[in-house]
Amino acid sequence: AQTVTQSQPEMSVQEAETVTLSCTYDTSESDYYLFWYKQPPSRQMILVIRQEAYKQQNATENRFSVNFQKAAKSFSLKISDSQLGDAAMYFCAYRSPTQGGSEKLVFGKGTKLTVNP
Amino acid sequence: DTGVSQNPRHKITKRGQNVTFRCDPISEHNRLYWYRQTLGQGPEFLTYFQNEAQLEKSRLLSDRFSAERPKGSFSTLEIQRTEQGDSAMYLCASSSNSRDRDIEQYFGPGTRLTVT
Repeated sequence: AQTVTQSQPEMSVQEAETVTLSCTYDTSESDYYLFWYKQPPSRQMILVIRQEAYKQQNATENRFSVNFQKAAKSFSLKISDSQLGDAAMYFCAYRSPTQGGSEKLVFGKGTKLTVNP
Repeated sequence: DTGVSQNPRHKITKRGQNVTFRCDPISEHNRLYWYRQTLGQGPEFLTYFQNEAQLEKSRLLSDRFSAERPKGSFSTLEIQRTEQGDSAMYLCASSSNSRDRDIEQYFGPGTRLTVT
């Protein structure tokens, strides 16, 4: 079974600075998807960024980028120019390949990000 | 497109009572997922549907839990004989397809269940 580990329960960053959230995972599959989801307080979870394992290029979405290290099974999220609105719980999630795999997301325990003004 | 909606948003019930939650997915989405999130944890998968067919169930889904999606549109999750350990946020998500570009799951706001 796949597992996802987020070793940082809490992180803090100063506004306008850069922060990196860590995620490692365990799987025997060679093709899969990885995601970072954001869950603001009392609000619904939204997708921040996704990475397909077959793509070597790291995904980027505006101020959000990932460092995907397939051999190390590591998938970190970098937030640049942090804003107060980035404060939230961040969850790393794994999904099996689209052909023949389970469609469920396997989540880590999350990292609570605080942004200090 | 109004997004995924869930009702009720909050439910307080006494131990031993039955509760039912409803999820309305994004209209064109044929896949619907249920997750449970307890305090300080990430969401845990419960079950999912493709149209009206329930394709996968987690071991977390004991015989007190049942989910339906009778017409392939909205879904209900029922918990019978609730226990205090059932207190959690129940999240619903939907997606349009399993193909590469359509696999993103869109989440609803959740139903918070408190069992007293």
